[in-house]
Amino acid sequence: DTEVTQTPKHLVMGMTNKKSLKCEQHMGHRAMYWYKQKAKKPPELMFVYSYEKLSINESVPSRFSPECPNSSLLNLHLHALQPEDSALYLCASSLGQGDTDTQYFGPGTRLTVL
Amino acid sequence: GQNIDQPTEMTATEGAIVQINCTYQTSGFNGLFWYQQHAGEAPTFLSYNVLDGLEEKGRFSPFLSRSKGYSYLLLKELQMKDSASYLCAVIDSNYQLIWGAGTKLIIKP
Repeated sequence: DTEVTQTPKHLVMGMTNKKSLKCEQHMGHRAMYWYKQKAKKPPELMFVYSYEKLSINESVPSRFSPECPNSSLLNLHLHALQPEDSALYLCASSLGQGDTDTQYFGPGTRLTVL
Repeated sequence: GQNIDQPTEMTATEGAIVQINCTYQTSGFNGLFWYQQHAGEAPTFLSYNVLDGLEEKGRFSPFLSRSKGYSYLLLKELQMKDSASYLCAVIDSNYQLIWGAGTKLIIKP
């Protein structure tokens, strides 16, 4: 199984809503990542979890709150988002973090904030 | 600062060969990735290289020159499904992945 899954595929939310994005992998990877990608731009790193601990937070606003319940799951909790937060949110995983392991991406969640 | 440069867009003909270039200036180097990304989809891994030279692997072959801070991805026998963005990414000395902006490749019949 070399798959990273993400749900939902599409999400439309208002600025006062609370929603969560979910990511799952069963490859035994110990590093998981959240990226944000705007159209025609490269992925922009948001958070990295290594061995279920948050190791990197790239100065992301507090309206984005990551959670890693176990080594296979990664959530991104969303609250009070702004229209400019509309983007493709990508989850990725790799065998380890802080090395050269390939990151494998999930299909992404297309988020629209109204 | 860290910088990765790729052409914004390229056009090629079905069945032809195209070379997508990537130049980088990063704080250290621990390898270079190429990813393919179709519109609205996630990036998919194509290659990882840390040694110099051309690695022939099917229709997509990556080349690396560390002394020149340069890589290219050679795509042969182009097919319509190869229309996508191709992202170059470098692992720096802190093992952070630095992404280029990507090259949008358009294949015409």
